[in-house]
Amino acid sequence: ETGVTQSPTHLIKTRGQQVTLRCSSQSGHNTVSWYQQALGQGPQFIFQYYREEENGRGNFPPRFSGLQFPNYSSELNVNALELDDSALYLCASSTTGTGFEKLFFGSGTQLSVL
Amino acid sequence: AQKVTQAQTEISVVEKEDVTLDCVYETRDTTYYLFWYKQPPSGELVFLIRRNSFDEQNEISGRYSWNFQKSTSSFNFTITASQVVDSAVYFCALSEAYNYGQNFVFGPGTRLSVLP
Repeated sequence: ETGVTQSPTHLIKTRGQQVTLRCSSQSGHNTVSWYQQALGQGPQFIFQYYREEENGRGNFPPRFSGLQFPNYSSELNVNALELDDSALYLCASSTTGTGFEKLFFGSGTQLSVL
Repeated sequence: AQKVTQAQTEISVVEKEDVTLDCVYETRDTTYYLFWYKQPPSGELVFLIRRNSFDEQNEISGRYSWNFQKSTSSFNFTITASQVVDSAVYFCALSEAYNYGQNFVFGPGTRLSVLP
């Protein structure tokens, strides 16, 4: 186990609703990244937070937003949910967020949008 | 733009067979890192190996081995004497070496089924 925990494990929402997913990073890690993994595909980078600031963003619309707290835990918020948002959302933590670091992943939150 | 291709969508082998998972990548960077991750049914991505672009030495770890060939932009992964516990989805990923806002580009994955 990596020590990265995510909650909830499963979530069902309807189109148009808002959702908040949570992640606790591994002890000693101050960087959290979020990835979206659609069924049968590889994870896609949403954004990264380093010391409470967004430090990089993938090709996702502004309705995907996040926060990082002083204890380095993080939230992913998605507004105005669409059917295509149904996916496994993975949180990963690392020490500095630079490209050579390996990421430690949680088990993910499975989001279903009906 | 960076891209990772894993041409094999699914592979099935019988236990004790050797199996090679292919990974081809594209990048304009001269310094980059390549990774392999394993995703069992639990969903968590498990780190297997990291290789930097300047180190083309092949690596062996137990039943696992990796063949990095910069000339063909490939980073293939071989499991020797496969076991049922090796059944999972395997992802190859590429990362720029010094990029803050670390952005892993993952391939689509290869689903490996090892049959008893």
